[in-house]
Formats: sequence, structure tokens, C-alpha cells
Amino acid sequence: EAAVTQSPRNKVTVTGGNVTLSCRQTNSHNYMYWYRQDTGHGLRLIHYSYGAGNLQIGDVPDGYKATRTTQEDFFLLLELASPSQTSLYFCASSDVGGGQNTLYFGAGTRLSVL
Amino acid sequence: QQQVRQSPQSLTVWEGETAILNCSYENSAFDYFPWYQQFPGEGPALLISILSVSDKKEDGRFTIFFNKREKKLSLHIADSQPGDSATYFCAASMTNSAGNKLTFGIGTRVLVRP
Repeated sequence: EAAVTQSPRNKVTVTGGNVTLSCRQTNSHNYMYWYRQDTGHGLRLIHYSYGAGNLQIGDVPDGYKATRTTQEDFFLLLELASPSQTSLYFCASSDVGGGQNTLYFGAGTRLSVL
Repeated sequence: QQQVRQSPQSLTVWEGETAILNCSYENSAFDYFPWYQQFPGEGPALLISILSVSDKKEDGRFTIFFNKREKKLSLHIADSQPGDSATYFCAASMTNSAGNKLTFGIGTRVLVRP
């Protein structure tokens, strides 16, 4: 079974702060994704990547940067955090893109921006 | 604009009843529809999925009914158990799209009372 580990599990920062959320998957999946989950909006795609050094823009990218340093590691960066970015963030991975591939999600990082 | 709509937002059923979760979509190019199940404190996990060439998919107590003409589908949970209490997300994608970009609905929160 795919293993996706996110850290930290909880994070509190202040407006204007700098935050990095980390994600590691240990199943050699090519694709990795960052989603945010908000009540009334479901899961929305922020950024995704199909390999080390690659980055694709998702549906709600404003205010976020991401970097895929290795096949295993995908980071989400908030360089000037705002209260609107208070959310539950999920990382996911999948084997290949397209088709009927299954997304494997981590347990999430709850971020509060005060 | 919500491309994938779910209703109701929350649903309470008694143990043993059938829970019915509804989903509709806008984009006629969507042809793959997975349902993800999420328990509190966890990430979503794939429960069951269907391709648009089928009108029904069963997996144990879980059944998807699909109506391509009306762009609607539903998830039926037969003989509901308290352990089925979770949030269920309907999602959609195009199987020929790169990155398996799933579009999620806002979710239906199901509570099964013993």
C-alpha cells in the first residue's frame, strides 16, 4: 500500500510568515499533488508534479509555490502567509498520470494563519 | 463554478438503511468517476470508481449508478453500518488528461446511527 507522509501535522503561523509543508512518498510514484480542503469547497488542487524538478500549476495556485526535489519529496511553500490560507492541506501521489489512477493521500497538515 | 456538485451536504441514516449520495457534473468530457471516503483525521481513500461506459458498478455494499445522458451519478450504501460514518467525495476526470487531474465535489458527510 502506498505510503505518503506529511509534516508537520499541525502548524500555526502569523500573517506574513514563511511556511513550508513537506511531503514524502515511498512508493516510487511519478505524480505528486498538493490539495487544500475547505468546508464548502471540497478538495482543490494547488500544484502537482510528474517528476523531480517538474512543477505544474493546479486550479488554486495563487500565493503558493511548490518544489519537487526528488521523486520522493514534494514541498509546498507559503512565503507570505495570509489568513485565507488557513486550511487543511493534503499531499497525494499516484503511479502515472491520466487514466484511472488511484490517488494515495497523506494524513494532512492543518495550517492556521493568525 | 463548481464542476462537480454533490448533495446532500450531510445525511443521517439508521443502521441497516440504504444511504444515497448524489453527484452531478458539468463537463461532458469527464469519463472517470471515483468516490473517495474520508474518516476524521485521515486523508481520503479510494472507495469505488466507475467509467462512463458503464451504468452500474458494485463492490460489496457500495454501488454506483451512472446516468451519462443526465450527467448524474449516485453512490448507494446498502445496509449502512456505523463504521461507514465518514465524508464521501465524488470526483471526476478525463482519462486522456495528463496528471490525472481530479475535480472533487464538496463532499457529503454521512452519519450512521446504531
